Amino acid sequence: NAGVMQNPRHLVRRRGQEARLRCSPVKGHSHVYWYRQLPEEGLKFMVYLQKENIIDESGMPKERFSAEFPKEGPSILRIQQVVRGDSAAYFCASSLREGGTDTQYFGPGTRLTVL
Amino acid sequence: DAKTTQPNSMESNEEEPVHLPCNHSTISGTDYIHWYRQLPSQGPEYVIHGLTSNVNNRMASLAIAEDRKSSTLILHRATLRDAAVYYCILRDNNAGKSTFGDGTTLTVKP
Repeated sequence: NAGVMQNPRHLVRRRGQEARLRCSPVKGHSHVYWYRQLPEEGLKFMVYLQKENIIDESGMPKERFSAEFPKEGPSILRIQQVVRGDSAAYFCASSLREGGTDTQYFGPGTRLTVL
Repeated sequence: DAKTTQPNSMESNEEEPVHLPCNHSTISGTDYIHWYRQLPSQGPEYVIHGLTSNVNNRMASLAIAEDRKSSTLILHRATLRDAAVYYCILRDNNAGKSTFGDGTTLTVKP
């Protein structure tokens, strides 16, 4: 059973470039969540997606950030024109959300470094 | 999301039990109590969750106060690999996001 997979695990970008982070949920999970963890801080919710729909994007910065979860393929978190403040660990989680409680399972994260 | 309060840090000796407390005085009736832990440079790992009754699994036990305003994660025999940041989170069954606080950094001494 494969858990949540994220790639790349490490990503280095120069200021102004684009960063694309990919997340493959647990097989059978149709709900995906993205979180950001700045150095020495806790995780902050960014966005919650279900297949082809954004359900809650209350934690997403208003500009430069976007997310999608297409019918086929992984979920993508896209950061345009990266700045040094975007340097962080980005974690994806997935869940089943079928009755009962909804447990989120996290991936290993993508560590983005902006030079 | 309702707020949780945890001690910043705790220490334990190897092979001794550890009790990690969490206060959640504003918990609502539909909030589940979830615990995750995060080892250095890794993603959060699910530990256990509960609603009203105490819960046990292979990793830990969760003791929930009768009024649900607090809970305790119990590691029965701490090992060096249990050293991590432990997060107590309240999640409404209908909500998507989890709100992480600062967590408790557990140090296990050999």
